[in-house]
Amino acid sequence: ETGVTQSPTHLIKTRGQQVTLRCSSQSGHNTVSWYQQALGQGPQFIFQYYREEENGRGNFPPRFSGLQFPNYSSELNVNALELDDSALYLCASSSGGYGQPQHFGDGTRLSIL
Amino acid sequence: QQQVKQSPQSLIVQKGGISIINCAYENTAFDYFPWYQQFPGKGPALLIAIRPDVSEKKEGRFTISFNKSAKQFSLHIMDSQPGDSATYFCAARRGNTGNQFYFGTGTSLTVIP
Repeated sequence: ETGVTQSPTHLIKTRGQQVTLRCSSQSGHNTVSWYQQALGQGPQFIFQYYREEENGRGNFPPRFSGLQFPNYSSELNVNALELDDSALYLCASSSGGYGQPQHFGDGTRLSIL
Repeated sequence: QQQVKQSPQSLIVQKGGISIINCAYENTAFDYFPWYQQFPGKGPALLIAIRPDVSEKKEGRFTISFNKSAKQFSLHIMDSQPGDSATYFCAARRGNTGNQFYFGTGTSLTVIP
């Protein structure tokens, strides 16, 4: 069984640029959630996709956007990057049912210069 | 506003001792409470989880105690081992908004041999 994979593992960008992060969900999982984890903090919910539709959003501005594809893989796009966007971005997948656990990837470390 | 409050921020325990991490919440819409373990450079991994209709759940050396009236829950690690040294996060799911999870700020556990 293949787990959640994220790419790239590390990325360096400058302020104002745009970035796309990718996530392949675990086999059989139709729900993908994205989280931002600042250094020394817990993950903060960005949004969730279920069967290609956004299914909940946290307190993040519209420049954070996403997509989910028919194979349930997902992208996180961030426009107009700011210094505070520097963080570990985590993707988690689940089967979407009640109380089903989320399985996390190892994240993409994004650094903004 | 932090929806799930976690303490302590850091914890040092002797090998064989009991590690206790506490979390508190306010939102009664939370319906699922997992604990995650995170090692440096890795994503969070699910350890154990509980639903609010159960007061205690045990899996191996890990036990969750849940007090619904006090809106508190805790993780107990029995016979702590150096390999348990990691950051632990409690989380809570708000079921009426899909599968959105709120995380605590984390506890860095060090188990001394």
